[in-house]
Amino acid sequence: EVQLVQSGAEVKKPGESLKISCKGSGYSFTTYWIGWVRQMPGKGLEWMGIIYPGDSDTRYSPSFQGQVTISAGKSISTAYLQWSSLKASDTAIYYCARRLGYCSGGRCSYFFDYWGQGTLVTVSS
Amino acid sequence: SYELTQPPSVSVSPGQTASITCSGDKLGEKYVCWYQQKPGQSPVLVIYEDSKRPSGIPERFSGSNSGNTATLTISGTQAVDEADYYCQAWDSSTNYVFGTGTKVTVL
Repeated sequence: EVQLVQSGAEVKKPGESLKISCKGSGYSFTTYWIGWVRQMPGKGLEWMGIIYPGDSDTRYSPSFQGQVTISAGKSISTAYLQWSSLKASDTAIYYCARRLGYCSGGRCSYFFDYWGQGTLVTVSS
Repeated sequence: SYELTQPPSVSVSPGQTASITCSGDKLGEKYVCWYQQKPGQSPVLVIYEDSKRPSGIPERFSGSNSGNTATLTISGTQAVDEADYYCQAWDSSTNYVFGTGTKVTVL
C-alpha cells in the first residue's frame, strides 16, 4: 500500500527555521516525483515545488523560489521542505504528494495520485 | 502565468447532477485532473487525463475538456459528495496550476 506520512504539527516564532518531512512507503520512492502543496487557512491549493528523489532534481514555483528549500534523502525514502526564516504568512497546512504522469506530443498529463496527511505549520509571536 | 478559474460555489439537490467548470486559455490543449477535498482531509484524486477515474472512484464522477473549459460532472449527487473540488493542469511555463476551487453543497 502506497503511503506518504508527514511529520507532525509545528508551532514556531517568526524568524525561526523549520524542516518538515514526508516519508514514502509501499513503492519505489526514488522513481516518482514528490511535490509540495500549500493550503493557507480557508484558502485553495498552491503548488510550491517538486523533487525527483532519484537524483534530487528540483523545480520551484516562481512564487516560492528562494523562500523554501526542497530536498530528499533517498536512502530513507523521505522528502523535506524547509524554511530558514519563517514569517507569520507561512502559517498553513503543507501537503506532500506523489506525482504520476507522462508527456506525449507536447501535451503532459501530470497529477498527484497519493497525498500525505498534511503538516500544520503555525507561525506566531 | 497560467491561471485556472472555477466558480466559488455550486449547489445541487440530492440525486441531481452537479457540474463544476474550470476555465483557462486553450485549456482543451492540456490535460486536466480533479481533486476532491473534504473538511479536515487531504485532497483525493477523482479524475485524471480529463476523464479517467482512478480505482475506487465511483462511476458518478466524470470529466470532459474542450476549448477553454474543463467540466467535472457528478451524476446522482449524494450527500457524501459535499466537498471542495479543485481542477489542476500542467503548463510548460507555470508548471503545476491549481484552479481556484469550488465548494459543492448538497441541499
